[in-house]
Amino acid sequence: GENVEQHPSTLSVQEGDSAVIKCTYSDSASNYFPWYKQELGKRPQLIIDIRSNVGEKKDQRIAVTLNKTAKHFSLHITETQPEDSAVYFCAASSWGKLQFGAGTQVVVTP
Amino acid sequence: DVKVTQSSRYLVKRTGEKVFLECVQDMDHENMFWYRQDPGLGLRLIYFSYDVKMKEKGDIPEGYSVSREKKERFSLILESASTNQTSMYLCASSLTSGSSYEQYFGPGTRLTVT
Repeated sequence: GENVEQHPSTLSVQEGDSAVIKCTYSDSASNYFPWYKQELGKRPQLIIDIRSNVGEKKDQRIAVTLNKTAKHFSLHITETQPEDSAVYFCAASSWGKLQFGAGTQVVVTP
Repeated sequence: DVKVTQSSRYLVKRTGEKVFLECVQDMDHENMFWYRQDPGLGLRLIYFSYDVKMKEKGDIPEGYSVSREKKERFSLILESASTNQTSMYLCASSLTSGSSYEQYFGPGTRLTVT
């Protein structure tokens, strides 16, 4: 089955700096790669996703890149703000079933 | 507006009790999922269902069962609760068709087994 590894487990950044979270996956059949954000005490929510036929996708301050050959994908957050503090989960999917990474705790310090 | 609800936010049960966690979605989604969330382990899939009365094991089904008698409702059952089942349980739902497999999550149930 699919195995997703996520790094780092914690990330502390200064407000205004960029944050990068990296994930690798094992199943070459995976074709959908979402990122979820979970604020403290709240449910995970989708923030951006990418399909395997696309190499990069951007939505305002967040972007995701995918390297199918190397089986890794990354989340980039630019100009970080305090409200970006949360746990971020990557996931990989084929046919709608998601395999999640272990999560990255991002702390944005003023 | 998308809505997934879970029957309880907090639950305390004793070892050996039978526990029912219920999830309801109002989006007419075909797929429903149960995860448990533990620190450092992410979200691990327990069971999922692609249709009414259909169920598939996820990565950690041992000690759990599920029921889906109606499209909007997916129940997780702990036949005999144990302390290692103390965790946050999250339900999710998604569509089968369309361009996205986005899963919509419920608020979670924090279960403590003593």
